[in-house]
Amino acid sequence: EVQLVESGGGLVKPGGSLRLSCAASGFTFSSYSMNWVRQAPGKGLEWVSSISSSSSYIYYADSVKGRFTISRDNAKNSLYLQMNSLRAEDTAVYYCARDDYESWFDPWGQGTLVTVSS
Amino acid sequence: QSVLTQPPSVSGAPGQRVTISCTGSSSNIGAGYDVHWYQQLPGTAPKLLIYGNSNRPSGVPDRFSGSKSGTSASLAITGLQAEDEADYYCQSYDSSLSGPWVFGGGTKLTVL
Repeated sequence: EVQLVESGGGLVKPGGSLRLSCAASGFTFSSYSMNWVRQAPGKGLEWVSSISSSSSYIYYADSVKGRFTISRDNAKNSLYLQMNSLRAEDTAVYYCARDDYESWFDPWGQGTLVTVSS
Repeated sequence: QSVLTQPPSVSGAPGQRVTISCTGSSSNIGAGYDVHWYQQLPGTAPKLLIYGNSNRPSGVPDRFSGSKSGTSASLAITGLQAEDEADYYCQSYDSSLSGPWVFGGGTKLTVL
């Protein structure tokens, strides 16, 4: 079964840092681009960052550029998101999602909640 | 404000047909990029519903269909059922932004 499981969310103060992880199983992780997508409470989906299968291509939304860093470890079947200089507006559920054919996202993980508050 | 525009809400009675629109521009849908649709049931992660404008993944009922024309796309749901009550999002590629992927703002479907 193809599965993505996020972890690492929690409560952090403004200006703080957090590292999210996404563990993949059931497919050849090293063959796929991966993404982080977030959803603020009561709001819609916002694409955050993408990384290609070999980490050669990395993209960020303008809202997180310079503060967030996406990375992956194909040997560990894992995707990461290092989040620095966190702001209240970064409060959201963060989902990891596999990129199928460099086009659509499937599947998605269950999400991990990040709350930025003093 | 989202790059792809969806109506905030739609509603319909059980058995009826509803459509959800997704309007883009010449840098995304109008440029020929595919549109994909996701269903998010309350309290759950999004799930792929339609890919490549009109294709259904295995397990998605044929009550769900997608289409694309010009700078817009549509999701149609026929034979509406109570379990279809959810949020629906469109997604596409945009060539004008620093990041490639864009989502619509989402549409809340209420089954009356």
